[in-house]
Amino acid sequence: DTAVSQTPKYLVTQMGNDKSIKCEQNLGHDTMYWYKQDSKKFLKIMFSYNNKELIINETVPNRFSPKSPDKAHLNLHINSLELGDSAVYFCASSQDTGGRGYTFGSGTRLTVV
Amino acid sequence: LAKTTQPISMDSYEGQEVNITCSHNNIATNDYITWYQQFPSQGPRFIIQGYKTKVTNEVASLFIPADRKSSTLSLPRVSLSDTAVYYCLVGEGRLTGGGNKLTFGTGTQLKVEL
Repeated sequence: DTAVSQTPKYLVTQMGNDKSIKCEQNLGHDTMYWYKQDSKKFLKIMFSYNNKELIINETVPNRFSPKSPDKAHLNLHINSLELGDSAVYFCASSQDTGGRGYTFGSGTRLTVV
Repeated sequence: LAKTTQPISMDSYEGQEVNITCSHNNIATNDYITWYQQFPSQGPRFIIQGYKTKVTNEVASLFIPADRKSSTLSLPRVSLSDTAVYYCLVGEGRLTGGGNKLTFGTGTQLKVEL
């Protein structure tokens, strides 16, 4: 059983398109996150949701819109994709919001051409 | 947020003990120190967390001096499969209302050879 699953694993798309990445966790955690890892391997938090409520929204372009239909799901929709959006996007969840026991998904490699 | 500084890379051989030190000079009173491991094409995986002194689990040990301005992750008898990036993070152990702005640093690329 995959604890945090993301789909798709790979996504190649053209500039200007709109795409979504889905994330589901079966751990019963209350908090879910989206992180972006760039080509230099920096991992930066983008969003955090706790029980479907947006808690953290970093300085992310508003082309990025997270949606949490329930506490087990946190999807990421990206409008008008740009070359600079190319990165690996990781979904994560935690019960203890201090970072102890973050469980990450395997990532979605987004390539914008 | 407390910033962390780690060596960019380390090399080791199988069977050796590896110690990776992380500096976090402006760590706050409520901050915990957490280490994650990341293999290529995978998400980071929690290794160990501590607040002070020493913590040990089946994977690693974490040494934290009294001033808590640094910490050392110790991996006993590494193998090839321990080749990965290791991240040191500091952040609050528990928040009400959910959410935590944990910041990952650059990490340390550990390469283990035969």
